[in-house]
Amino acid sequence: DAGVTQSPTHLIKTRGQQVTLRCSPKSGHDTVSWYQQALGQGPQFIFQYYEEEERQRGNFPDRFSGHQFPNYSSELNVNALLLGDSALYLCASSLAGTRGPTGELFFGEGSRLTVL
Amino acid sequence: GQNIDQPTEMTATEGAIVQINCTYQTSGFNGLFWYQQHAGEAPTFLSYNVLDGLEEKGRFSSFLSRSKGYSYLLLKELQMKDSASYLCAVRDWRDDKIIFGKGTRLHILP
Repeated sequence: DAGVTQSPTHLIKTRGQQVTLRCSPKSGHDTVSWYQQALGQGPQFIFQYYEEEERQRGNFPDRFSGHQFPNYSSELNVNALLLGDSALYLCASSLAGTRGPTGELFFGEGSRLTVL
Repeated sequence: GQNIDQPTEMTATEGAIVQINCTYQTSGFNGLFWYQQHAGEAPTFLSYNVLDGLEEKGRFSSFLSRSKGYSYLLLKELQMKDSASYLCAVRDWRDDKIIFGKGTRLHILP
């Protein structure tokens, strides 16, 4: 049973560039959430995708955008990169409408972005 | 909005017991999660509480009081491998988001 996979695992960009991060959810999951985790902090919610639509959004600027494909995989795009965007970007999958312990998020290993 | 508070760091001794507290404020509480995250790794699910009381799972237990907006994670018979960050997270029924606290870094001393 494949878990959540993310790519790339590490990448380095310069200020002003654009980046695309990719995520494949756990088999059977249909919902993908993206989180940003700065060093020493907890994950901050960016947005959530379900049925190819952005369903919820956290307090992030429009430079952060995403997409979900028919096979439930997802992309996170960040434009006009800033130094402060350096962080671990975590993708988490879940099954919509599931409650209780089985409604938990399953996380990928993350993509570590460094902006110089 | 939501607000989740937990201590930044804690230190405990191998073999001992430690309790990590979490307080939260949300208008649409629909469950509280605890996750463990080792340095450089993804968070992994530990426990889930939606009703008041204690949930026990091996060496780990989690408690919830909805009226007090309070939870704790209890780790018994601490092992060196328990050195990690412990994340408290709350789900909101209004939008189904799961929001995380800043995490508690637990250091285990031999």
